[in-house]
Amino acid sequence: AQSVDQPDAHVTLYEGASLELRCSYSYSAAPYLFWYVQYPGQSLQFLLKYITGDAVVKGTKGFEAEFRKSNSSFNLKKSPAHWSDSAKYFCALEEAGGNNKLTFGQGTVLSVIP
Amino acid sequence: ETAVFQTPNYHVTQVGNEVSFNCKQTLGHDTMYWYKQDSKKLLKIMFSYNNKQLIVNETVPRRFSPQSSDKAHLNLRIKSVEPEDSAVYLCASSQQGTEVFFGKGTRLTVV
Repeated sequence: AQSVDQPDAHVTLYEGASLELRCSYSYSAAPYLFWYVQYPGQSLQFLLKYITGDAVVKGTKGFEAEFRKSNSSFNLKKSPAHWSDSAKYFCALEEAGGNNKLTFGQGTVLSVIP
Repeated sequence: ETAVFQTPNYHVTQVGNEVSFNCKQTLGHDTMYWYKQDSKKLLKIMFSYNNKQLIVNETVPRRFSPQSSDKAHLNLRIKSVEPEDSAVYLCASSQQGTEVFFGKGTRLTVV
């Protein structure tokens, strides 16, 4: 069975710094990978997805993520971080074939200090 | 811009009661889902449904059941709620090839 791991429950940094949120996955085939963000009191919002091709994918709000097959990771990055990026971020995996059923990681709470 | 609408936003009920949550999507998607987000904010899929197939996560208790009148609506009914059902229930929809769009959730508190 597939799984997604986000090892950092909380990440705190100062505005202007570079952020990187870690995500690793376990899946026997080539996965589809996603990042979603959840602001307090709001629904999950799509940031970006990796299906195939280039290792770095760009998304909304200035975020990008790098797919590394060698260590089964899909880390989210942004530079510089802004205080408005403070939210909870979820990495998710969809089985190859696109059935749209997502397996989520535990989430990482990002706090950006102004 | 939210295009998956859930009601109510909050619901408090007693153990043993029946509750029903509504969900409507205006995106024209053909597949809808219910996810459960527990107190630790862990997200787990409960059901996926299109007009052809209902897929139930095997870990979902039988007291939970999805109800659909058409492809734009997927309600969630819980017969005889239990304390561990306290959570946020997220409705979502998608179309083949698109990302999944989520509603704002319904927070259920069982007392």
